Amino acid sequence: GEDVEQSLFLSVREGDSSVINCTYTDSSSTYLYWYKQEPGAGLQLLTYIFSNMDMKQDQRLTVLLNKKDKHLSLRIADTQTGDSAIYFCAESINDYKLSFGAGTTVTVRA
Amino acid sequence: DTEVTQTPKHLVMGMTNKKSLKCEQHMGHRAMYWYKQKAKKPPELMFVYSYEKLSINESVPSRFSPECPNSSLLNLHLHALQPEDSALYLCASSQAGTGSGNQPQHFGDGTRLSIL
Repeated sequence: GEDVEQSLFLSVREGDSSVINCTYTDSSSTYLYWYKQEPGAGLQLLTYIFSNMDMKQDQRLTVLLNKKDKHLSLRIADTQTGDSAIYFCAESINDYKLSFGAGTTVTVRA
Repeated sequence: DTEVTQTPKHLVMGMTNKKSLKCEQHMGHRAMYWYKQKAKKPPELMFVYSYEKLSINESVPSRFSPECPNSSLLNLHLHALQPEDSALYLCASSQAGTGSGNQPQHFGDGTRLSIL
């Protein structure tokens, strides 16, 4: 079955690092994704990782994948006010379907 | 800026109206999707088109009718909607599936639909 879980809220001080965690259940998932949604906007594909990788870094973003524990995390370095948004973790179910987590609302405080 | 364009951005309609939502992408993607998203919730898949053919219908009520006129365009025709259909409707596109795994989906900014 598909069940993606993430914590609902994260508050972080501007300039600090943010870490958003996600657990998933489908061990056959080929891709795992992080999407960002700002108020009034659609989902922005932030980054994704193939299931045979442990880590992927892209500028301020670092994705870590622990396949044994089915745990995915997104680290945002030097968090800025523009990073305030809802972050969705998603796993691929098949060629077309994604299973999304409930979303983590990240609030950046000055 | 998103590479998937949706129009209109906002739509208010009565329960007896007929309207259409439109989506366009020029990334050469051959899979296109409609999702429904309620406030503070993740998107829910409604339809998937692959190579302009409907490949997935997630048991969506017939008052929603999708159409894919060509590989760049996707429409969602609306008729006799209910107040509970008020939501953000998102379009997405991706490379077509190859049978070896999911392809990243790129989303538009959505149409915010309100049913009176």
